[in-house]
Amino acid sequence: DVKVTQSSRYLVKRTGEKVFLECVQDMDHENMFWYRQDPGLGLRLIYFSYDVKMKEKGDIPEGYSVSREKKERFSLILESASTNQTSMYLCASSYGVLKGEKLFFGSGTQLSVL
Amino acid sequence: AQTVTQSQPEMSVQEAETVTLSCTYDTSESDYYLFWYKQPPSRQMILVIRQEAYKQQNATENRFSVNFQKAAKSFSLKISDSQLGDTAMYFCAFMKRENRDDKIIFGKGTRLHILP
Repeated sequence: DVKVTQSSRYLVKRTGEKVFLECVQDMDHENMFWYRQDPGLGLRLIYFSYDVKMKEKGDIPEGYSVSREKKERFSLILESASTNQTSMYLCASSYGVLKGEKLFFGSGTQLSVL
Repeated sequence: AQTVTQSQPEMSVQEAETVTLSCTYDTSESDYYLFWYKQPPSRQMILVIRQEAYKQQNATENRFSVNFQKAAKSFSLKISDSQLGDTAMYFCAFMKRENRDDKIIFGKGTRLHILP
């Protein structure tokens, strides 16, 4: 089974801190994604990557950056955390070979910024 | 831009009943994919069912089936003989058929409660 692992299930940070959310997949997937999930807003795409060292902005990239130095790892960085970044963060990956492939998701990181 | 609308924020049904979750979308594309994803309380999102727009036949996966109406841009999910384990958040999603841009657009979700 494909496994997408997010490093933390719950995280509490202070305003202004630099925050790293890590995501690792074990199936040699080309594509990786970071989503933010908020009640009543569904999932919104922050950034995605379809290759090592490649990144593309999603719908809400402001306040975030990403890093993909190795194929299996995709990191989301909050340069200076703010309270409005309190949210559930979901990482996902897909093979990226065929069209219309399903996403494989991690279990999410619930981030609270105080 | 594509949009996905789920008009039912929350639903409750009795165990063993059949329930239908609604989804409409807006696109000018003719070739695309539609998905239903399930997020149980454990938060692990999994794919329930997938439909290719060029296929007229509605997709089915065991107790899950869709009613895909391309002209109406409607993609509803039917769960037959509902079980307690079906309690979850359900997201409808849309993906364009493009070369490299595999972004998926999600609806806001429907929270489904299956009551014993």
